Amino acid sequence: DGGITQSPKYLFRKEGQNVTLSCEQNLNHDAMYWYRQDPGQGLRLIYYSQIVNDFQKGDIAEGYSVSREKKESFPLTVTSAQKNPTAFYLCASRGYTNQPQHFGDGTRLSIL
Amino acid sequence: QKEVEQNSGPLSVPEGAIASLNCTYSDRGSQSFFWYRQYSGKSPELIMSIYSNGDKEDGRFTAQLNKASQYVSLLIRDSQPSDSATYLCAVNTNAGGTSYGKLTFGQGTILTVHP
Repeated sequence: DGGITQSPKYLFRKEGQNVTLSCEQNLNHDAMYWYRQDPGQGLRLIYYSQIVNDFQKGDIAEGYSVSREKKESFPLTVTSAQKNPTAFYLCASRGYTNQPQHFGDGTRLSIL
Repeated sequence: QKEVEQNSGPLSVPEGAIASLNCTYSDRGSQSFFWYRQYSGKSPELIMSIYSNGDKEDGRFTAQLNKASQYVSLLIRDSQPSDSATYLCAVNTNAGGTSYGKLTFGQGTILTVHP
């Protein structure tokens, strides 16, 4: 089945640790996105990428980093500089301009 | 002013009633508009897309767009308890000339349909 796979589903971060969230899609979509959602709030854009080896900061990029080495993959690293990382992280992709985004199932990150 | 703003809710309607969800946006150049439904603890799922002024119907759902007023709404007819969720309005905005643009989301409206 075509879709977006995020892993792991739950992740715990220790103080001073970097953690990486995986996002893989087999929809052949060019554009991929990472969002953060806090309880009771909408989605805030962290980073997005429209083509391999290129990506742009979203509204809340500080403390996060990404790479786009393959069309199918867009991993997000939550660095130790992100002091409040506890949130629900969503990866999305879209195939064409003005088309909707489709989401993975999300990763829930918590602090140990 | 927020780029995309939804009526704050929560909204509570009885089963069988019409639920009306509203959204306003600030970017006059926006061309595409989406409604997503998000159940608690789950990821958003697309329920409606609308690109032209007027109404678009899909089953019990009707999306309405008025670009002159910068307003988009979602009507849910014959509301069911299974419609209880958070509804997110999303507007495609031009991301500094990039070809795909980006979606800007409202904060969501919580809908509860009670039996």
